[in-house]
Amino acid sequence: AQKITQTQPGMFVQEKEAVTLDCTYDTSDPSYGLFWYKQPSSGEMIFLIYQGSYDQQNATEGRYSLNFQKARKSANLVISASQLGDSAMYFCAMRGNQGGKLIFGQGTELSVKP
Amino acid sequence: GAGVSQSPSNKVTEKGKDVELRCDPISGHTALYWYRQSLGQGLEFLIYFQGNSAPDKSGLPSDRFSAERTGGSVSTLTIQRTQQEDSAVYLCASRQGAGTDTQYFGPGTRLTVL
Repeated sequence: AQKITQTQPGMFVQEKEAVTLDCTYDTSDPSYGLFWYKQPSSGEMIFLIYQGSYDQQNATEGRYSLNFQKARKSANLVISASQLGDSAMYFCAMRGNQGGKLIFGQGTELSVKP
Repeated sequence: GAGVSQSPSNKVTEKGKDVELRCDPISGHTALYWYRQSLGQGLEFLIYFQGNSAPDKSGLPSDRFSAERTGGSVSTLTIQRTQQEDSAVYLCASRQGAGTDTQYFGPGTRLTVL
């Protein structure tokens, strides 16, 4: 069975500092995709970054990077230079090979302090 | 360049009534997903449509739930004889199609069953 685990229910970070949000996954599928989504208090799920299981390099999108360690089955999100607007829930998700449905972790609530 | 839209944004209903939730995917996206987000269960997959193929209904929690997608575009999720445990945010997502992984979410419909 596929599973995503986010062990940090809540995190605090000082504005302008970097923060790492943890995500581990479990799957027996050789092909999978890993995603991070941001959900602000407004409720919309905003796509941040994607990593394919066969990608050799870690994905980066602006201030977001995904630290992909395949052997450890981890896909941590790194946010550099945190901003107040980064305060939100962050979900790690995995795409299986059955139609692409996403399996989500429980989320991490990030609070950025001024 | 519209994103995924959902209506209504909020729905309050009485136990036992039927409700219909609507999703308009991004134009040209062939894959459409419904998810449910509740406090107790987190984010759960409900149903998936891809083109003209039979939908994957494996996530529907009971036979009170059904969904259809007309003309390969708009989708309607119907919940019959609503129960209080159906209260949740119902999220729709679309994906461009084969060879792409990223799902883009709508703003969701918050359903409250009294």
